[in-house]
Amino acid sequence: AQSVTQLGSHVSVSEGALVLLRCNYSSSVPPYLFWYVQYPNQGLQLLLKYTSAATLVKGINDFEAEFKKSETSFHLTKPSAHMSDAAEYFCAVSGMGSQGNLIFGKGTKLSVKP
Amino acid sequence: DVKVTQSSRYLVKRTGEKVFLECVQDMDHENMFWYRQDPGLGLRLIYFSYDVKMKEKGDIPEGYSVSREKKERFSLILESASTNQTSMYLCASIGGGQETQYFGPGTRLLVL
Repeated sequence: AQSVTQLGSHVSVSEGALVLLRCNYSSSVPPYLFWYVQYPNQGLQLLLKYTSAATLVKGINDFEAEFKKSETSFHLTKPSAHMSDAAEYFCAVSGMGSQGNLIFGKGTKLSVKP
Repeated sequence: DVKVTQSSRYLVKRTGEKVFLECVQDMDHENMFWYRQDPGLGLRLIYFSYDVKMKEKGDIPEGYSVSREKKERFSLILESASTNQTSMYLCASIGGGQETQYFGPGTRLLVL
């Protein structure tokens, strides 16, 4: 069985500050891990993914995430927040042989203050 | 680029109406998915399909059915809409040996 926990339904940062969105997962098979972003009234867009290659994954818009097996974590970071980063972020897990089925976390809404 | 389109961005229906939500993808993907998204609950899987005429129940199939007559099209049907089905509905597809689901823009459904 697989599950995802996102710590913090709302995160607020100042423009230029570090962004850290937390994601912990559980999986009985080697996981694939994803971060998606959703801007208001839009669908989900892939930010980055981990598929058992490099543990530090770089995505679009300077976001990155590190897969830490010992901590079962896949936290999303960005060194310097921009106003345009305000959105909802979803962490998701799937596994080899799952035929692409994703289990999503409940989402974290990021606010960026000027 | 993969394109997933949904027939409507916004829809208003009355209780008891039959509602059809259409999703089309242009990348010959085998697998397609319907989710509903509600504040604080994230995305919950309603139904998915691995092939034409095949369907599998997700986590919350009650009150919904689906149809996949052609590979590129996956329809979600609300047989008799109820107010608790007011939600954002998202379609996604995956295929070609990839791991990434591609999402449509969503349909925001209001049932009065």
